[in-house]
Amino acid sequence: DVKVTQSSRYLVKRTGEKVFLECVQDMDHENMFWYRQDPGLGLRLIYFSYDVKMKEKGDIPEGYSVSREKKERFSLILESASTNQTSMYLCAARRNGGAFSYFGPGTRLTVT
Amino acid sequence: GDSVTQMEGPVTLSEEAFLTINCTYTATGYPSLFWYVQYPGEGLQLLLKATKADDKGSNKGFEATYRKETTSFHLEKGSVQVSDSAVYFCALDSGGSNYKLTFGKGTLLTVNP
Repeated sequence: DVKVTQSSRYLVKRTGEKVFLECVQDMDHENMFWYRQDPGLGLRLIYFSYDVKMKEKGDIPEGYSVSREKKERFSLILESASTNQTSMYLCAARRNGGAFSYFGPGTRLTVT
Repeated sequence: GDSVTQMEGPVTLSEEAFLTINCTYTATGYPSLFWYVQYPGEGLQLLLKATKADDKGSNKGFEATYRKETTSFHLEKGSVQVSDSAVYFCALDSGGSNYKLTFGKGTLLTVNP
């Protein structure tokens, strides 16, 4: 089974801090994704990456950046955290030609 | 663009009741359709999928049929259990090389004993 792990389950940060959310997958999948989940809005795609050092904006990239230096690791960066970035963040991975995406357990981020 | 509309929740049922969660979609081409489930405190797990018209996905007693004529993929279960309490997401992948998923807003299901 593919394992997608996220560095923290819960995180509390202050407004203006730089925040790193880490995601690691263990099955050599080419594609990785960051979503945020908010009640009543479902999951929305922030960024995705289809290869090392490659990235593309999703539907809501503003206020976020990403880094993918190694195939197994995909980082989401909040350059200057704001309270409206309080949310659940979910990472996913999918191989080329794969039938579906595997998700990590999520990181619940609170920005105060 | 692609979109998924699913039944607003929350849905509250008694154990052994019949469940239907409606899902309709708009997409170009021939999307693959998915139901994901999120149990309390966890990430999303694939529940079932269908990749072409008239396919039926099934898992753990849940079923959904890909209906191209009505652009629907409704989730059903004949007899729910307390352990089915979770948030259910309908999603589509319209194909192409980026494998992006478009999600519905989610439906919270609570099953009471």
